Amino acid sequence: AQSVTQPDIHITVSEGASLELRCNYSYGATPYLFWYVQSPGQGLQLLLKYFSGDTLVQGIKGFEAEFKRSQSSFNLRKPSVHWSDAAEYFCAVGSSNFGNEKLTFGTGTRLTIIP
Amino acid sequence: DTGVSQDPRHKITKRGQNVTFRCDPISEHNRLYWYRQTLGQGPEFLTYFQNEAQLEKSRLLSDRFSAERPKGSFSTLEIQRTEQGDSAMYLCASSLGGQGTDTQYFGPGTRLTVL
Repeated sequence: AQSVTQPDIHITVSEGASLELRCNYSYGATPYLFWYVQSPGQGLQLLLKYFSGDTLVQGIKGFEAEFKRSQSSFNLRKPSVHWSDAAEYFCAVGSSNFGNEKLTFGTGTRLTIIP
Repeated sequence: DTGVSQDPRHKITKRGQNVTFRCDPISEHNRLYWYRQTLGQGPEFLTYFQNEAQLEKSRLLSDRFSAERPKGSFSTLEIQRTEQGDSAMYLCASSLGGQGTDTQYFGPGTRLTVL
């Protein structure tokens, strides 16, 4: 069975500082990996996704993530955070068997930005 | 692109009552998913449809839950004899379907509170 671990429940970062959110996955085959962001009262918005090819993936809002098969990780990074980045971030893995019928999410990391 | 819409956004009900939620996917999307998100957790997969066919159901979907997508467009999720443990955010997502690289687009969710 596939699973995702986000070890950091809550992270606080100063505005303008760099950010890295950790994600580890468990999946028997080649995973499809996603990062979503959820703001209060909003639905989940896709930041970026990895299916194959280049292991460094660029997303929206200046985010990037790197797939490391040897470490079963897909960490999300941003070089300089903005106050508007405060939100809940979810890593997810999709099945590569006949499409991503379902996503398995981690428990999320809440990001707080301080001035 | 009007996005995925869900109705109602909030529902408060008494234990034992039945509730029904509606999801309208992005118009050309043939896959539709339901997830449930409880406080402090990531979304958990409940079920999904390809067109009008329900292809997979999670063990989380007890026999009190039923989902339909009668004409392959909108979907409804009904919970009968609600329990306090059903209190959660119910999320709907849609995708073009069939390909592992498809992105699931999420609606804003319906927050259910069972008193």
